[in-house]
Amino acid sequence: KQEVTQIPAALSVPEGENLVLNCSFTDSAIYNLQWFRQDPGKGLTSLLLIQSSQREQTSGRLNASLDKSSGRSTLYIAASQPGDSATYLCAVHSGTYKYIFGTGTRLKVLA
Amino acid sequence: NAGVMQNPRHLVRRRGQEARLRCSPMKGHSHVYWYRQLPEEGLKFMVYLQKENIIDESGMPKERFSAEFPKEGPSILRIQQVVRGDSAAYFCASSPIFIGTTSQETQYFGPGTRLLVL
Repeated sequence: KQEVTQIPAALSVPEGENLVLNCSFTDSAIYNLQWFRQDPGKGLTSLLLIQSSQREQTSGRLNASLDKSSGRSTLYIAASQPGDSATYLCAVHSGTYKYIFGTGTRLKVLA
Repeated sequence: NAGVMQNPRHLVRRRGQEARLRCSPMKGHSHVYWYRQLPEEGLKFMVYLQKENIIDESGMPKERFSAEFPKEGPSILRIQQVVRGDSAAYFCASSPIFIGTTSQETQYFGPGTRLLVL
């Protein structure tokens, strides 16, 4: 049974710092992994989708890596800004139609 | 192409009332998935539907919850006799094809309906 864990649960950093959010999954047989952003009371914004054959994806200041063999993905945010404050969710597609979500990392970037 | 639409965005119900949540998938998408996010938790799969068919409802509570996706119109998630524990955000997602056998497609999520049971 696939389980997804995100560490840390919460993170507070000063503006301008580079930071790394971690996602681990127990079953390495995945099809893809997706990182989402969720603002309080709002929906999900897809940030990056990494296919199982890929090692990383980049979009602007965001870079996500995938290491299937170790069951890990990281989301790297460069030069963090207060507008990056949100909850970041990792979700794994394991070959069924369900996405399995982690519980998220709550990020606060201080001005 | 409009995204996945859900309404209402916020819904307040008293205990014992019924809640009806609607989801209109993206144009051309015939697969709909419902997820529930309880406070301080991740999203959990509830049900997967295709037009006029429930494919998997293994994540749905056995009682009071039902879902449908008719030939015409939106998908409906219905909660009868709501209780306080039903308070959560309910997200709908859609995909154009069955994504169980390919990594090339994904699910597209709607903005969610936040249900509050008083």
